[in-house]
Amino acid sequence: DGGITQSPKYLFRKEGQNVTLSCEQNLNHDAMYWYRQDPGQGLRLIYYSQIVNDFQKGDIAEGYSVSREKKESFPLTVTSAQKNPTAFYLCASSPKDRDFFYEQYFGPGTRLTVT
Amino acid sequence: KNQVEQSPQSLIILEGKNCTLQCNYTVSPFSNLRWYKQDTGRGPVSLTIMTFSENTKSNGRYTATLDADTKQSSLHITASQLSDSASYICVVSQVEPGSNYQLIWGAGTKLIIKP
Repeated sequence: DGGITQSPKYLFRKEGQNVTLSCEQNLNHDAMYWYRQDPGQGLRLIYYSQIVNDFQKGDIAEGYSVSREKKESFPLTVTSAQKNPTAFYLCASSPKDRDFFYEQYFGPGTRLTVT
Repeated sequence: KNQVEQSPQSLIILEGKNCTLQCNYTVSPFSNLRWYKQDTGRGPVSLTIMTFSENTKSNGRYTATLDADTKQSSLHITASQLSDSASYICVVSQVEPGSNYQLIWGAGTKLIIKP
């Protein structure tokens, strides 16, 4: 069963704690992405990775960190430096990044609530 | 400024009726335009991808149109079903010569189908 998995679906944390969101894909895609979705707004790109051991900042990278040690995995850490971390986080992948025509496939998302 | 604006913000129609969702963009240079369907609490799923040379593209009961001159797109849903209740997101791809592409996401139209 191919696709993208994100875990957990719901996550609750206290302010000041770091938290790591998991994203795994078995589609053999080169590129992976992390987005943040807030009510009434379009998706905003946090980080993306085109190949293993390489990643680039998106539009709102401050307070987040990522790693890409394996092609299948792209975990996102929300650090205590992120001022407003409560949001719906979406992971996506695509066959390539530089070819703009490839569509992105999304995971089911993780809803993070920080109190 | 690159922007994607969708209207209406929300729409309620009766099951079996047709509807049309609008997307206006100011993205330049334009590469392609995508429509996604996002069920509540889930990741977006691609409906269509259209390049500037395509005026119309269908996917079952979904038909997207694109007017690259006026920078407008629409998504028409025919004979709506309860399962069409979702947010519909318009996404425009921008690519600068010699660099990676960028996706500009609209905020979406929330469609509710009532029995």
